[in-house]
Amino acid sequence: DTAVSQTPKYLVTQMGNDKSIKCEQNLGHDTMYWYKQDSKKFLKIMFSYNNKELIINETVPNRFSPKSPDKAHLNLHINSLELGDSAVYFCASSQVGPYNEQFFGPGTRLTVL
Amino acid sequence: QKEVEQNSGPLSVPEGAIASLNCTYSDRVSQSFFWYRQYSGKSPELIMSIYSNGDKEDGRFTAQLNKASQYVSLLIRDSQPSDSATYLCAVNRNNQGGKLIFGQGTELSVKP
Repeated sequence: DTAVSQTPKYLVTQMGNDKSIKCEQNLGHDTMYWYKQDSKKFLKIMFSYNNKELIINETVPNRFSPKSPDKAHLNLHINSLELGDSAVYFCASSQVGPYNEQFFGPGTRLTVL
Repeated sequence: QKEVEQNSGPLSVPEGAIASLNCTYSDRVSQSFFWYRQYSGKSPELIMSIYSNGDKEDGRFTAQLNKASQYVSLLIRDSQPSDSATYLCAVNRNNQGGKLIFGQGTELSVKP
């Protein structure tokens, strides 16, 4: 199936831990994104990479570090997790161009206890 | 002023009716506009994109864009209970590397 996939789907962890979320797309897109959806369902961009190069870095704590080993993968590592990091994290991808239709992965629900 | 504004709802319509969802945006340089549907516990699903003033139809969905008024809407004809979801309006200012700015979403409930 052609899609954007993420692992894990659920992540429950203690404050202070470090965790990673992985994303892969097989749509042949060259741009990938991380979005955060908070408890009020508001969706906000965090990062985007184009062909392994960081192009968007919103005001996100530096405990969050994206890594793109190749243009089909974009991972998100979070250090020293805090209660406020609890949210759903979505990966998305698009093809560079004037229209930039973005397609989302299934999401990772992160719960920090 | 929020960059992208939607009525949060819930918007309730009877089955078979037309549901009208509205969105306004603040930045005139915005160039691409999208409607996503999000079922509870699921990811946003792209259902419509529009780039030029006027109407764009796809099945039961019609997107309308008025750049002068900074307004984009989504009409759902013959609404079905399966259309019950949150609808997210998103705007792309193409000079910002593909950054999508989302509204807070409108919850739609279609009653049988």
